Amino acid sequence: GNSVTQMEGPVTLSEEAFLTINCTYTATGYPSLFWYVQYPGEGLQLLLKATKADDKGSNKGFEATYRKETTSFHLEKGSVQVSDSAVYFCALSDRNTGNQFYFGTGTSLTVIP
Amino acid sequence: DAMVIQNPRYQVTQFGKPVTLSCSQTLNHNVMYWYQQKSSQAPKLLFHYYDKDFNNEADTPDNFQSRRPNTSFCFLDIRSPGLGDAAMYLCATSRDRREQFFGPGTRLTVL
Repeated sequence: GNSVTQMEGPVTLSEEAFLTINCTYTATGYPSLFWYVQYPGEGLQLLLKATKADDKGSNKGFEATYRKETTSFHLEKGSVQVSDSAVYFCALSDRNTGNQFYFGTGTSLTVIP
Repeated sequence: DAMVIQNPRYQVTQFGKPVTLSCSQTLNHNVMYWYQQKSSQAPKLLFHYYDKDFNNEADTPDNFQSRRPNTSFCFLDIRSPGLGDAAMYLCATSRDRREQFFGPGTRLTVL
């Protein structure tokens, strides 16, 4: 079946530190992969996506590369800011299952000045 | 800007008193979803409409129902809210079940 496994949080970093949040997946077909961000009290916002192997999604300094060989889609940012404090969800959508979304459990990030 | 709107942002109801949450969208997407999200958890899909076709998740309680009177609007009805139904309710939309766009959510409190 399909599933997403995310690095457990919470993660606390100092401002300007390097961020990695690990995400691995299991899928029966060829999924699209997503990172969503949720700020406190808000809905989920699409941060970036990749639809096929070796694609790199990027947005607001965040990047993630679709690695089929390691079934991973790790989120990275070179220099985090206090405003990046949020919960990050990795997700996949698989055409074989009608594009149903499968979310990871979320990773809480706190960036301290 | 095209968007997904949820009203109200905060809803307080009493135990057992029916409540309706609303969602509207200006994206002209044909799929609309309702998720329940409890604290520190991932969103849990309750059901979705693909055009007019209603798709219920197998483990969604009968207490939860939905209506979609037209493309733009979708409602979540909770017939008899219990304390365990207190949560954030998220509406999302997509075009043909591709990437989903979420509204800001409605925080439901049950007293």
